[in-house]
Amino acid sequence: AQSVAQPEDQVNVAEGNPLTVKCTYSVSGNPYLFWYVQYPNRGLQFLLKYITGDNLVKGSYGFEAEFNKSQTSFHLKKPSALVSDSALYFCAVLTGFQKLVFGTGTRLLVSP
Amino acid sequence: EAQVTQNPRYLITVTGKKLTVTCSQNMNHEYMSWYRQDPGLGLRQIYYSMNVEVTDKGDVPEGYKVSRKEKRNFPLILESPSPNQTSLYFCASSPWQLPPATNYGYTFGSGTRLTVV
Repeated sequence: AQSVAQPEDQVNVAEGNPLTVKCTYSVSGNPYLFWYVQYPNRGLQFLLKYITGDNLVKGSYGFEAEFNKSQTSFHLKKPSALVSDSALYFCAVLTGFQKLVFGTGTRLLVSP
Repeated sequence: EAQVTQNPRYLITVTGKKLTVTCSQNMNHEYMSWYRQDPGLGLRQIYYSMNVEVTDKGDVPEGYKVSRKEKRNFPLILESPSPNQTSLYFCASSPWQLPPATNYGYTFGSGTRLTVV
């Protein structure tokens, strides 16, 4: 079955430091990968996706992600974290029948 | 504005009282889907629809029904809600594209927080 794994329930980082939220995938065929963010009491907001092309994908709010086929990873990164980046982050993979399969989520906490 | 509209945003109900959560999209998308979000479990698909009158079960369909009589609407029906259906629900839509084009994406509604007591 096609799936993604987010190994960390929570990531803590100080404001101004770089952040990484990890995601690994398990798919057969070409992976189509997505990152979403959920702020408290809000819906899901799209951050970025990898469909094809460059392995380094740039997205909203200064986030980027690197598609690494050999390590089957799609880690989310930002060079300098903001307190306002504190939220719940979901990695997802598009499977057959256009089903989006989500990871369990990683809570990012950025301290001042 | 392109959007998926869910109603209501919040709902508290009692066990066994039938309810419907509405979902409507204005993007002429073929594909629509319902998810529920629970802590530590991420989002899990309940039902999906590839087009009008075509629906199928997702990963957690028990206790739910859906219908797709019109392209824009995809209501979620709980015939006899139970406390284990207390959750945050999201409706989503997307164009039917396999493989996806570079501009492909899901659009999510704002969510419905359901509490069954």
